[in-house]
Amino acid sequence: GAVVSQHPSWVICKSGTSVKIECRSLDFQATTMFWYRQFPKQSLMLMATSNEGSKATYEQGVEKDKFLINHASLTLSTLTVTSAHPEDSSFYICSARDRFQGSSYNEQFFGPGTRLTVL
Amino acid sequence: AQSVTQPDIHITVSEGASLELRCNYSYGATPYLFWYVQSPGQGLQLLLKYFSGDTLVQGIKGFEAEFKRSQSSFNLRKPSVHWSDAAEYFCAVGSPTSGTYKYIFGTGTRLKVLA
Repeated sequence: GAVVSQHPSWVICKSGTSVKIECRSLDFQATTMFWYRQFPKQSLMLMATSNEGSKATYEQGVEKDKFLINHASLTLSTLTVTSAHPEDSSFYICSARDRFQGSSYNEQFFGPGTRLTVL
Repeated sequence: AQSVTQPDIHITVSEGASLELRCNYSYGATPYLFWYVQSPGQGLQLLLKYFSGDTLVQGIKGFEAEFKRSQSSFNLRKPSVHWSDAAEYFCAVGSPTSGTYKYIFGTGTRLKVLA
């Protein structure tokens, strides 16, 4: 149980184009999902918290107009990198929190990541 | 400020040797504690977690970790390392407080295993 998938697993795009990455909870419902970014040989940096049916909460320094997050259902959150540039090339990882976890229980389930390369 | 410190950026051990990866945290209360492993180009795999109770936690792949409140530490150990354990290891903390669900990750420790 508690499986999270991401699609695509890797993507290459041209500079200036937009790319959408999907994060799905396969066997549970997730009211909260998280998007992380990881540069080579570095740790995970939280970009934003995605809440089903409401606007995402972005971390300081993350451009919300560049990284559009939509969490339209209890099993799907999407991250769209708009007008991508080479500096947006990175490994993007999502995670999800089971809606039926107790309010004081805090565990995230992680997806396998998406490698984005912008040429 | 809340933080997680993994003091060792790189660790090299010989296959069969014991391993200890350090993790220290700064938090207002006892947080939830996690260890993850990441192979190159892969996502995170949960090794073990501590929420409460017994301070010695057993995980997958023969790993264990001990929570020491007095030292604000949650060190990961393995008695005998295998070559396949070579990877990046991340310690993370999560808030035990209702409504705050973010994780804070340490900077990671890269483990190299010598044959």
